Amino acid sequence: AQSVTQLGSHVSVSEGALVLLRCNYSSSVPPYLFWYVQYPNQGLQLLLKYTSAATLVKGINGFEAEFKKSETSFHLTKPSAHMSDAAEYFCAVSRFYYNQGGKLIFGQGTELSVKP
Amino acid sequence: GAGVSQTPSNKVTEKGKYVELRCDPISGHTALYWYRQSLGQGPEFLIYFQGTGAADDSGLPNDRFFAVRPEGSVSTLKIQRTERGDSAVYLCASSLKTSGGAYNEQFFGPGTRLTVL
Repeated sequence: AQSVTQLGSHVSVSEGALVLLRCNYSSSVPPYLFWYVQYPNQGLQLLLKYTSAATLVKGINGFEAEFKKSETSFHLTKPSAHMSDAAEYFCAVSRFYYNQGGKLIFGQGTELSVKP
Repeated sequence: GAGVSQTPSNKVTEKGKYVELRCDPISGHTALYWYRQSLGQGPEFLIYFQGTGAADDSGLPNDRFFAVRPEGSVSTLKIQRTERGDSAVYLCASSLKTSGGAYNEQFFGPGTRLTVL
């Protein structure tokens, strides 16, 4: 079975500071990993995805994540936080990307607050 | 172009009633997914359609939940004899399956907030 654990339900940073949101996964097969962002009263938006290509993945809005198999981690980072980054972030894992429908298993989410 | 739309945006019902939630996927997207997001939780998978058929309904919690996609486009999630525990945001997503078999990213709708009193 696959699962995702996001460490820290709430993270608060100052504007301009480093953002680090932690995600660890469990999977018996090579995983496909995703980070989604959810703004209030809006749907989920894909930030970035890892599908077994480069281990360092760059996404939208300056975010990036690194797949570390030895640590079963896929942490999300951004060098400098902006007020507009305040939102809920979800890490998700999918078993197969091809011919399997790609249903997503989500973590509990991390709410990011950005202080001025 | 238009994204995934869901109606209604909010639905308040009484315990024991029947509700239908509608999802309009992005035009041309063959795969459609339903998820349920309870307060303070991540979305949980309910069911996935490829075309008109439910390819995976392993996430439906019980037989009160049913979903259809009769023409391979719009989908309706149906909940019978609603219970207070069904209160959640129900999310729909769609994706495009390429000729090579890959499923591209899932695009999510804004969700329907269901409240069962």
